[in-house]
Amino acid sequence: DGGITQSPKYLFRKEGQNVTLSCEQNLNHDAMYWYRQDPGQGLRLIYYSQIVNDFQKGDIAEGYSVSREKKESFPLTVTSAQKNPTAFYLCASSSRGLQETQYFGPGTRLLVL
Amino acid sequence: AQSVTQLDSQVPVFEEAPVELRCNYSSSVSVYLFWYVQYPNQGLQLLLKYLSGSTLVKGINGFEAEFNKSQTSFHLRKPSVHISDTAEYFCAVRSQGGSEKLVFGKGTKLTVNP
Repeated sequence: DGGITQSPKYLFRKEGQNVTLSCEQNLNHDAMYWYRQDPGQGLRLIYYSQIVNDFQKGDIAEGYSVSREKKESFPLTVTSAQKNPTAFYLCASSSRGLQETQYFGPGTRLLVL
Repeated sequence: AQSVTQLDSQVPVFEEAPVELRCNYSSSVSVYLFWYVQYPNQGLQLLLKYLSGSTLVKGINGFEAEFNKSQTSFHLRKPSVHISDTAEYFCAVRSQGGSEKLVFGKGTKLTVNP
């Protein structure tokens, strides 16, 4: 089955710790995205990548970092500089093109200990 | 830049009643419009999208939406809802030129009561 997988489902972060969220897709999509979801806030774009080895900041990139070394993978690191990391994180992918649909993974919930 | 306003944060309805979830957008250029559904603790799933042509768009699960350019609206409707339609619904917009980024509204939580 084609799709997007995110792991882990739940992640706990200690003070001062960096944590990495995994996102993998086997849809052969060029573009991948990371969103943060907070209650009542909708989805806010953290980073996106339209091609391997290239990525751009979204609206709330501070305290986050990404890499895109492979087409299938787009990991997100939540650094210790992100002071309020508790949220639901969603990864998405799409083919290139303005009419294309973004497909979403099941999400990772990050909690702070 | 684009923006999306979902006018109701919560909509409670009874089973088998009709429902309309409202979405208005702001953009200086033409746009593409999307509605997504999110069930609790899950990712988003596309319900329908408007790209061009007929302003009435039909989607999955019996939902439809109408694009109104003069009112910059893209309201989602279903004539008869089921308990299983309880979820959060997001309207999103993308400009027809420029960035491929999607801009989302803050969501409307639909609760269908028996």
